[in-house]
Amino acid sequence: GAGVSQSPSNKVTEKGKDVELRCDPISGHTALYWYRQRLGQGLEFLIYFQGNSAPDKSGLPSDRFSAERTGESVSTLTIQRTQQEDSAVYLCASSLAGPAMSIYNYGYTFGSGTRLTVV
Amino acid sequence: AQSVAQPEDQVNVAEGNPLTVKCTYSVSGNPYLFWYVQYPNRGLQFLLKYITGDNLVKGSYGFEAEFNKSQTSFHLKKPSALVSDSALYFCAVRNPYSSASKIIFGSGTRLSIRP
Repeated sequence: GAGVSQSPSNKVTEKGKDVELRCDPISGHTALYWYRQRLGQGLEFLIYFQGNSAPDKSGLPSDRFSAERTGESVSTLTIQRTQQEDSAVYLCASSLAGPAMSIYNYGYTFGSGTRLTVV
Repeated sequence: AQSVAQPEDQVNVAEGNPLTVKCTYSVSGNPYLFWYVQYPNRGLQFLLKYITGDNLVKGSYGFEAEFNKSQTSFHLKKPSALVSDSALYFCAVRNPYSSASKIIFGSGTRLSIRP
């Protein structure tokens, strides 16, 4: 597609339920990132996929968070047993290559995000 | 460790006046610096970047930013603000010499342009 697509755009869930967020990157983009943006705060790195390499999971806040990506296509971010502090906008971004090269491609292209509200 | 600070949560400017959104950074070596903008209900959009060369970089929508190494700053500027510039602006930094580094974003500054 023309841009990074995320679904759903909004998700309200009850505390303790599992949620799955989806990201469709730009076709051909080998690198895919997940960020979290809490209200009034900056972007928080969660996880990074680069091609077939092992993902960089250093930003995942707890073992309730996991993400998968099949090849260079769709990625899903799963949050198990959601808590109220998980409420945030979850942003996905993709780029043609990893951090070392993406700067030559105007950084990343971001999706519009999924607004998650845990009640 | 690399970090970036945006000291102002909100900046209010009258339309037609010049605007500045401040950003300071901390990174070893020469940084890669970025500005992104987030319009309401939209995804983040790239505005401009500094990699090397001229300290004054020009970007989208008439914005520019000046890299000041001695002050470790990368303030975003525009000579004449438009109401449509009202949005959330993020400064970001990356250490190009660290293979494990990622882009680190500031907390964002909300720019409000009044007619």
